[in-house]
Amino acid sequence: DAGITQSPRYKITETGRQVTLMCHQTWSHSYMFWYRQDLGHGLRLIYYSAAADITDKGEVPDGYVVSRSKTENFPLTLESATRSQTSVYFCASSESAYEQYFGPGTRLTVT
Amino acid sequence: GQNIDQPTEMTATEGAIVQINCTYQTSGFNGLFWYQQHAGEAPTFLSYNVLDGLEEKGRFSSFLSRSKGYSYLLLKELQMKDSASYLCAVFTSGTYKYIFGTGTRLKVLA
Repeated sequence: DAGITQSPRYKITETGRQVTLMCHQTWSHSYMFWYRQDLGHGLRLIYYSAAADITDKGEVPDGYVVSRSKTENFPLTLESATRSQTSVYFCASSESAYEQYFGPGTRLTVT
Repeated sequence: GQNIDQPTEMTATEGAIVQINCTYQTSGFNGLFWYQQHAGEAPTFLSYNVLDGLEEKGRFSSFLSRSKGYSYLLLKELQMKDSASYLCAVFTSGTYKYIFGTGTRLKVLA
């Protein structure tokens, strides 16, 4: 009954470290999305996935990697974190790519 | 380029009606969406328009004119809990799929 969850909710890491943000949904929605939200920029799409094993770049994909081996999970990895990746990250899912359901967000700080 | 414009901030009084405008220029158009986001929380879906006209959903209505690249969200009988940011988003047929505006922060005063 959880819907869509993200973990961790808060993370502090150092520049150069690899970080993975997790996203899990229980609805079996086909579409999943990763966004970052920064002041002055609004929500920007990083990557999206139309189904398991199908992913594509969004507006700001550089420095991020995604995978989707199972329908319910869509992890986002920062291969070598930089200060510019300090942000709030939202995962979302959708059955039709129309109405999206957002997770609670992960607040990431890169020092 | 792709661009969505909406006012940064608006203020209205409890019980009043407020209209939040959104204009867009995108490559391809498959629909326009409105989301509500309270401070520190995730966005939640409010409405979407695919065809021109008005869609009504309780106290919230959304209007779309595709020829003008224009939409508005109308909130009636404002309540204090309506104080939030309202995000306009376009679902495009291009690579970026969803383009979000920067949001309009609405303050409802007693």
